[in-house]
Amino acid sequence: AQKITQTQPGMFVQEKEAVTLDCTYDTSDQSYGLFWYKQPSSGEMIFLIYQGSYDEQNATEGRYSLNFQKARKSANLVISASQLGDSAMYFCAMSLNYGGSQGNLIFGKGTKLSVKP
Amino acid sequence: GAGVSQSPSNKVTEKGKDVELRCDPISGHTALYWYRQSLGQGLEFLIYFQGNSAPDKSGLPSDRFSAERTGGSVSTLTIQRTQQEDSAVYLCASSLPERATDTQYFGPGTRLTVL
Repeated sequence: AQKITQTQPGMFVQEKEAVTLDCTYDTSDQSYGLFWYKQPSSGEMIFLIYQGSYDEQNATEGRYSLNFQKARKSANLVISASQLGDSAMYFCAMSLNYGGSQGNLIFGKGTKLSVKP
Repeated sequence: GAGVSQSPSNKVTEKGKDVELRCDPISGHTALYWYRQSLGQGLEFLIYFQGNSAPDKSGLPSDRFSAERTGGSVSTLTIQRTQQEDSAVYLCASSLPERATDTQYFGPGTRLTVL
């Protein structure tokens, strides 16, 4: 069965420092996509970054990068130069149909990140 | 452009009543999803519509839950005979299938409280 595991229920980081949020996944499929979403206290789910299972380069989007280690089945999110506005819940998710065919997202339990001034 | 919109933002109902939750996807997005977020269960997939294909209902928790999508756009999630365990935030998402990514964009959600 497909599963996403986020082992850090809560994390603290000092403002301007980098932080890594862990995510491991379990699937026997070869084609899949990995996502990170941010959910602030307002409740909206904000898409951050995507990595396809066949992508050879790690995805980057501004201050966000995804450390993709396929053999270890891990897809950690790295946030550089943390800002106070980064305080939120972060969800790792997986879809099983890479390449345009749709599939629902399977979510981890989330990590609550708190940025300290 | 406009994002995914959902209405109402909050809904309080009594146990046993029926409720309807509405989702307007991003214009042109052919795929539409419903998820439920609760404290105990996290984020759970409910149902998925893709174009004119039959919906994937594999995530619906019981036959009290149903959804339809009219004209390939607006979707309504209906919960009949609501129970207290149905209390949750119901999130809608839409996407436009492309080869490189099938990123889903979420609406603000509807917070359902069943008394």
